[in-house]
Amino acid sequence: EAGVVQSPRYKIIEKKQPVAFWCNPISGHNTLYWYLQNLGQGPELLIRYENEEAVDDSQLPKDRFSAERLKGVDSTLKIQPAELGDSAVYLCASSPQTSGGPMYNEQFFGPGTRLTVL
Amino acid sequence: RKEVEQDPGPFNVPEGATVAFNCTYSNSASQSFFWYRQDCRKEPKLLMSVYSSGNEDGRFTAQLNRASQYISLLIRDSKLSDSATYLCVVNGEDSSYKLIFGSGTRLLVRP
Repeated sequence: EAGVVQSPRYKIIEKKQPVAFWCNPISGHNTLYWYLQNLGQGPELLIRYENEEAVDDSQLPKDRFSAERLKGVDSTLKIQPAELGDSAVYLCASSPQTSGGPMYNEQFFGPGTRLTVL
Repeated sequence: RKEVEQDPGPFNVPEGATVAFNCTYSNSASQSFFWYRQDCRKEPKLLMSVYSSGNEDGRFTAQLNRASQYISLLIRDSKLSDSATYLCVVNGEDSSYKLIFGSGTRLLVRP
C-alpha cells in the first residue's frame, strides 16, 4: 500500500516569494493533517481536514498561509509571502476515519517538504 | 509551560542496556497517549499507543500515570537500530483528534 506522498521534498526560495506544497494521502483516508516541524521540536498542527472541510485551522497563520482540499483527496498548502522564520519541515499526515477517537486512528506521516527561506 | 515536556537527551547507552524515558503533560483532560519514533531526517511513525493499564510490545513497555500526568517508555535490550528520537504525544484539550507532540528524546545506542 502506498504511503502519504508529498512534493516537493526540498524547496529553497527567497523571502517574500510564494511557495506551495502538495500532499496525496493514503487511499481511503478521510482525515488529512498539515504539520510544521522546526529543528529540535515536535510537529505542530497547522490544519486538519475531514474530507474537504477544514475542521481545525486555529493554528494556521491565515495572513500568509492557506490550504485547500477541494475534492477531499489531495491537498495543497501555500505560503505567500514566505518569511525567513518559515524555514522548517512541512509534514502531511492522514488517518482512516473520523469515528472511534484518536486511539483508533493512527496518523501516517509523509516524508515532508523541507523548506529553506533565504 | 509546554503542554508536553520531555528530556531532550541525548541518552547514550550501550547495546543491551535498558533505558527509560519519561514525559509529562499539562492537560488533565487528555485521553489518548502515544509514543512516536522519528529517525533522523525522516517522518514520525507510531511506535505504540499507551493504555491506562500499561502495555507491552516486545522489548517496549509503555506506562501511564494519570494522577501525576506522566507517561513512560521503557526499552529493554537496546539495539543499535533503536537509535532515534522518541516523541511523546497526547491529544489536545479542544479536539480529541488534535495531537500535541513533545520535542522528543534522542536515544543513541552504541556498540
